[in-house]
Amino acid sequence: GAGVSQTPSNKVTEKGKYVELRCDPISGHTALYWYRQSLGQGPEFLIYFQGTGAADDSGLPNDRFFAVRPEGSVSTLKIQRTERGDSAVYLCASSFGGVEAGELFFGEGSRLTVL
Amino acid sequence: AQTVTQSQPEMSVQEAETVTLSCTYDTSESDYYLFWYKQPPSRQMILVIRQEAYKQQNATENRFSVNFQKAAKSFSLKISDSQLGDAAMYFCAYRRSLNNNDMRFGAGTRLTVKP
Repeated sequence: GAGVSQTPSNKVTEKGKYVELRCDPISGHTALYWYRQSLGQGPEFLIYFQGTGAADDSGLPNDRFFAVRPEGSVSTLKIQRTERGDSAVYLCASSFGGVEAGELFFGEGSRLTVL
Repeated sequence: AQTVTQSQPEMSVQEAETVTLSCTYDTSESDYYLFWYKQPPSRQMILVIRQEAYKQQNATENRFSVNFQKAAKSFSLKISDSQLGDAAMYFCAYRRSLNNNDMRFGAGTRLTVKP
């Protein structure tokens, strides 16, 4: 597609449930990022993929959070045993890989609400 | 660690006037990128302007310009001839060069444009 696509746009779940959030990056972008944005805050880095591998997962808050990108394109962020504090907008971004750092292209995010 | 600080949670400007949004950052790197992103209610982060640290000339994009003071680690955004469509959250962001690393964001400034 032309832009970064994220699904679902909104997700409401109950405490303790498992959720998956999907990100489809811009075609040709090898780098993919997940951010979490709480209300009134800036995006907070979670994890970064270069190709299929997680190059930096230092932002994942705990072991309930996990992300995969098995074929180097679509990525899924997985949250186990959700807690009310996980409620936030989860943003995905992609960019060209390589040495030169540059612009990140963002999706519209998935708003997660944990009741 | 790199940190980005936006000291103005909210700003207001009259339509057609000029407003400046402040940003400071902390880094020990000499080469890096700085960005201003706009986030309207649709949630999608949109790049407004970027600045490479090795360039002394301040970046300009139409009505948007920056005042980059490398020694002071300051990166402010000036919006000239403000329009109603400029109303949004504005985030300052830092990205380290040479490695395809994550982007760090400030907490944001909410800009209101008064007609």
